[in-house]
Amino acid sequence: GEDVEQSLFLSVREGDSSVINCTYTDSSSTYLYWYKQEPGAGLQLLTYIFSNMDMKQDQRLTVLLNKKDKHLSLRIADTQTGDSAIYFCAETTNSGYALNFGKGTSLLVTP
Amino acid sequence: GAVVSQHPSRVICKSGTSVKIECRSLDFQATTMFWYRQFPKQSLMLMATSNEGSKATYEQGVEKDKFLINHASLTLSTLTVTSAHPEDSSFYICSVSSRAGYTFGSGTRLTVV
Repeated sequence: GEDVEQSLFLSVREGDSSVINCTYTDSSSTYLYWYKQEPGAGLQLLTYIFSNMDMKQDQRLTVLLNKKDKHLSLRIADTQTGDSAIYFCAETTNSGYALNFGKGTSLLVTP
Repeated sequence: GAVVSQHPSRVICKSGTSVKIECRSLDFQATTMFWYRQFPKQSLMLMATSNEGSKATYEQGVEKDKFLINHASLTLSTLTVTSAHPEDSSFYICSVSSRAGYTFGSGTRLTVV
C-alpha cells in the first residue's frame, strides 16, 4: 500500500503536551486513525478523523489534519506516565478495507 | 465497535508443528476479518483478508500454504501456521471492520523453538 510515515521516538516530561506527527501519501485516504499499543497488547483505538474534517478534539486528545500536505498529528495534553506506549497512525480509503499503518511512534513519558 | 476475542494470547511450539489462532467477533457478524503480523518494534503488516464462506485474499509475499485461513462462520476466523519455524515467531493480530470502525483482537505472541 501507500506509505505512512511517523517519527519513531518521542520523549516528554509528565504534564507537558505531546505531539505525534504522521504523513501519508495516498491522496484518496478517507479515514485516518490513531491507535495506542501497550507492550504485548493489541491495538486500542484512540480517535479517528474523516478527510473532510480539519480538527477533532476528544478530552485530552486533539487531532489535526492538513489534507493539502497529507499531514496528520495527535496532540496529547497533560501527558501522563500511563500514556507511554507506541502510537500508530493508520489510513484507509474505504471503511471496509484493511488499514495501512505507519511504523509507530514510541512515546516515553518521564516523571 | 465490535467486541473481538483472540486466542491464545501466547503460544510456544516446537519447530515443524502447526499452530491455530482463533479470532471471534462476539457481537457482530463479520463477513470480513483481517490478519496482521507485527515484528518487534515494527508496524503491523497486513497478511490476508479473510472472507466468510470464500477463500482468503493474501498479500503479496505471504505464503498461502503456510498461513491457512478459514472463515467458516460470521463470527470466527482462524489462522493456522503450518510447519512453523523460528522465523515465524511474531505477534499476530486479527481485526474486524464494523460500522463503528475497526476493532482489534488482543494479539497472539507465537514463539517457535
